[in-house]
Amino acid sequence: GAVVSQHPSWVICKSGTSVKIECRSLDFQATTMFWYRQFPKQSLMLMATSNEGSKATYEQGVEKDKFLINHASLTLSTLTVTSAHPEDSSFYICSAPRGAGNQPQHFGDGTRLSIL
Amino acid sequence: AQRVTQPEKLLSVFKGAPVELKCNYSYSGSPELFWYVQYSRQRLQLLLRHISRESIKGFTADLNKGETSFHLKKPFAQEEDSAMYYCALRHNTDKLIFGTGTRLQVFP
Repeated sequence: GAVVSQHPSWVICKSGTSVKIECRSLDFQATTMFWYRQFPKQSLMLMATSNEGSKATYEQGVEKDKFLINHASLTLSTLTVTSAHPEDSSFYICSAPRGAGNQPQHFGDGTRLSIL
Repeated sequence: AQRVTQPEKLLSVFKGAPVELKCNYSYSGSPELFWYVQYSRQRLQLLLRHISRESIKGFTADLNKGETSFHLKKPFAQEEDSAMYYCALRHNTDKLIFGTGTRLQVFP
């Protein structure tokens, strides 16, 4: 069964709206979660590493003021796309390693964001 | 720079044929490599990791450091193997770098 849950699965909104996406670890605590972006027929690109209790670490070229990440608890990380525009339309996926050490990451179902 | 290359976007085979999905990497340290699979309308899920050296659903992958490759193989493809396959490399803490993916189509 799913161990990482994302909500919503699909959101359509007008340009200029801010959209929040939630990523939850269901039966384990995740001090670190990861946010990816996937364009159609392309690979997953890591956007940022979400760290519980501290600031997120963003990959080069990702605007931190555009993509706000909050990891307020050990089971929840949120990604807020601020003032979204059509070019922000994409598939956003989160993941979390389950357990300590070199555990593989478990992925959420992803959130399809469509900005009109 | 760390990079994962999957040269084939699409691989089409008939049921029962052998399958090899290619993956090459560049990494300055000691890599940890994975294969993830995404079936239609499902989430990305782990298929194999090189440190486990196991066979999952008939698939195997051997890390070849000399050739910097981690090709995914299966001797007899099944229709249910049709999916998107991603090779990934883990570096530093938990960051994963993905290849561009290969779509495997297995025809009856």
